[in-house]
Amino acid sequence: TQLLEQSPQFLSIQEGENLTVYCNSSSVFSSLQWYRQEPGEGPVLLVTVVTGGEVKKLKRLTFQFGDARKDSSLHITAAQPGDTGLYLCAGTSYNQGGKLIFGQGTELSVKP
Amino acid sequence: DTGVSQDPRHKITKRGQNVTFRCDPISEHNRLYWYRQTLGQGPEFLTYFQNEAQLEKSRLLSDRFSAERPKGSFSTLEIQRTEQGDSAMYLCASSLTGGGAPQHFGDGTRLSIL
Repeated sequence: TQLLEQSPQFLSIQEGENLTVYCNSSSVFSSLQWYRQEPGEGPVLLVTVVTGGEVKKLKRLTFQFGDARKDSSLHITAAQPGDTGLYLCAGTSYNQGGKLIFGQGTELSVKP
Repeated sequence: DTGVSQDPRHKITKRGQNVTFRCDPISEHNRLYWYRQTLGQGPEFLTYFQNEAQLEKSRLLSDRFSAERPKGSFSTLEIQRTEQGDSAMYLCASSLTGGGAPQHFGDGTRLSIL
């Protein structure tokens, strides 16, 4: 069974601080997606990474896919209250029809 | 906006009743997925369709659950004889076919069993 371990589960920081969320597995994934979810809404896609070692930037967010395609990280620089939400990593595997295996999520709270 | 839409957004029902949810995917997407999410957890895969064919069902999908996508467009998820443990957010997502194709989610149906 493929699992994605996401850490930390909860993170409460002050505005302006930096943070990193980790997503780890013992399995290889063909691609990894990061989502952000707000209460009562569905997950919204932030980025997809498909190549080992790939780094993608989205404004103050930096996403990295591990060289072996087993892990990923999300780094936020100078967090703002608007970054508050549930961050989810999700992986897809070869020949699995594209279904997503999700991590448990990281609940981020950024206080002004 | 032509995103994924789900109906109803909320459903409250008594234990033992049957419920049906609907998902309308993005029109050009041939893949449609159903997930279930409980509070404080990431979504869990239930089943998916490629066009009208149901290609995989999770072991989470007991005999009380059935999903259809009769014309390869919208999909329905029915739960028969609901139980307390069925209380969750049911999410639908759609995508194009292909490795790494991003999935776009609807806002879900929140099911509460009394």
